[in-house]
Amino acid sequence: EVQLVESGEALVQPGGSLRLSCAASGFMFRTFAMHWVRQAPGKGLEFVSAVSTGGDSTYYAESVKGRFRISRDNARNTVFLQMGSLRSDDTARYYCARGQGLKYLDYWGQGALVTVSS
Amino acid sequence: QSALTQPASVSGSPGQSITISCTGTSNDVGAFDFVSWYQQYPGKVPKVVIFDVSNRPSGISNRFSGSKSGNTASLSISGLQSEDEAEYYCSSYTRRTTLVFGGGTKLTVL
Repeated sequence: EVQLVESGEALVQPGGSLRLSCAASGFMFRTFAMHWVRQAPGKGLEFVSAVSTGGDSTYYAESVKGRFRISRDNARNTVFLQMGSLRSDDTARYYCARGQGLKYLDYWGQGALVTVSS
Repeated sequence: QSALTQPASVSGSPGQSITISCTGTSNDVGAFDFVSWYQQYPGKVPKVVIFDVSNRPSGISNRFSGSKSGNTASLSISGLQSEDEAEYYCSSYTRRTTLVFGGGTKLTVL
């Protein structure tokens, strides 16, 4: 059974940093692209970032470029999202999702809530 | 990257059919046959119901179908059931960032 479990949710002050992790199991992790998608309270889905199977190619939404960094550890079946210079509009539930290539997302985690507030 | 454009809401009675549109540009919907649709119930995780414009994942009812013409994709649901009441999001591969989502459409079954 495919499982994606996010961790690292927290309340962070504006300007702060946070790292989210997503532990994957039930599939050959190293053969799938991985994505982060966020959803602000009461709002829609927003692509945040994606990483290729080997980690050598990364992609970012314009809204987080230069502030967030995605990475993966295929030995530990884990994908990370390092978030910096956090702003109030980064407040959202952050979902980790398995990508079928870079085309669509077939499995999603339950999400990690990130709240940016003073 | 601008979001794809979806109607905020659609509604239909049980047994009827509805269609949700998703309008993009020649850089996303119009350029690739990589449109997907996600169903999300309140407080729940999104689930893919259509991928690659018109393909259904295993376990998704054949009442769900997808199509595309030019820069606009569509999700159709036939034989509406109360369980179909949810938020629906379209998404497309895009040259710039890999994925872009629509703003979401709330489907109400009357």
